[in-house]
Parts: sequence; C-alpha cells; structure tokens
Amino acid sequence: DADVTQTPRNRITKTGKRIMLECSQTKGHDRMYWYRQDPGLGLQLIYYSFDVKDINKGEISDGYSVSRQAQAKFSLSLESAIPNQTALYFCAAGQGGNEQFFGPGTRLTVL
Amino acid sequence: AQKITQTQPGMFVQEKEAVTLDCTYDTSDPSYGLFWYKQPSSGEMIFLIYQGSYDQQNATEGRYSLNFQKARKSANLVISASQLGDSAMYFCAMRELNTGGFKTIFGAGTRLFVKA
Repeated sequence: DADVTQTPRNRITKTGKRIMLECSQTKGHDRMYWYRQDPGLGLQLIYYSFDVKDINKGEISDGYSVSRQAQAKFSLSLESAIPNQTALYFCAAGQGGNEQFFGPGTRLTVL
Repeated sequence: AQKITQTQPGMFVQEKEAVTLDCTYDTSDPSYGLFWYKQPSSGEMIFLIYQGSYDQQNATEGRYSLNFQKARKSANLVISASQLGDSAMYFCAMRELNTGGFKTIFGAGTRLFVKA
C-alpha cells in the first residue's frame, strides 16, 4: 500500500472556481508538505505542517491555503483558481530530517 | 541565491555504462541532508538516496551512490550499469535542519536519456 495518497489524480477546472486537493498518509508521519511542479522545473514548496496545529508558508503560498485536519490528512485549497496555477501538485510526508515520501501527484489544469 | 544547482539540463549515457549527475549546494547550516529523487515520465517522485552532512561515508543504495564532497559542497549522483528504465528526470534536493525548518529545496533537475 502506498504511504501517501492524493485525490483527485487529475482535475480540470475553470478560472475562479474553488478547488481542494486532498492528501492522506498511513504511516503516522508528523510532517506533511505540499509542492507544485511546473513543466520542466523542480518542485517549489507551497505549505508545510509539522503537526495538526502547525501550518507554515513555503516559497509560493500566495493564492493557496491549507488545512491539517488530522495527523493523517493535509488538504490544499485554491480559493479562486487562475490559469498560472496549472501544474503538477505533490503531497509529501515524513518523520525525521532524512525522510520525505511523496504521493503520486495531482495534475491540475485551470482553463 | 540559488541553493541547489544542477548544471546539466540533459545527459545521455549508453546502456550498461556509469553516469554521474552533478549537484552543488549552498548553505551555512552545518546540519543538512541531501536527497536525490527520480521522476519518470509517469510523474511520480521516487526517493533514491540520502546523505547527511555528518555522515562519514558516501551513501550507497544498490546501483546508486552519492559522491559527497563536503568542502566543495557537491553531492553528485552516480548510477552504475545504466538501464533503459533509468531514463527519467533526476532531482537533487537539500534540507537545512537547523535554519531551514525541515523545508526541502529542489534543484531544477537533470533529464537522463539511456541509449540502447
């Protein structure tokens, strides 16, 4: 079983719509992360959380919000999607400094 | 300032030969970790290998080894006996453990093509 799952795997939406991407992990990791990857580029950190009450902005948090509803769940929201948020979104989870397990990714297209 | 630099946008290697993918990093934090990930065309991020800044020996995982040169701030990935399935995008990443809050910073990646 995959440690980290993401839903949906693919989503097409229109400009101005609210979108939520879900992430769940089964190993009880404290730390969870959301990244985006633009075509041909590396990953950029959007938000990260070290436990249920801890939320931190990453490099590119504008236009995004997150919720850590439980240790196992970390959701990413786009309140009003815009075309330049079209990207591949990854959730990751880990326990210590040398761990980071990625989900399979969500491909989001904003028309 | 760019913290992770991968200078090779694309690399070609003959099947069964070894290949080195370059990565240099910049940090003033004495405690950090270095990662390599593989991203095949299907899109998932696959963890390959990890090197801690205090580790005395270079990390190895099967056909993957990390050539860690601390004074040069380089963490090159060596893939031995390349296979066609190694064709993918490879990302180097760093986590600053004292100052970075466990955020992981990624390089721009190197696309590896393995030729039959």
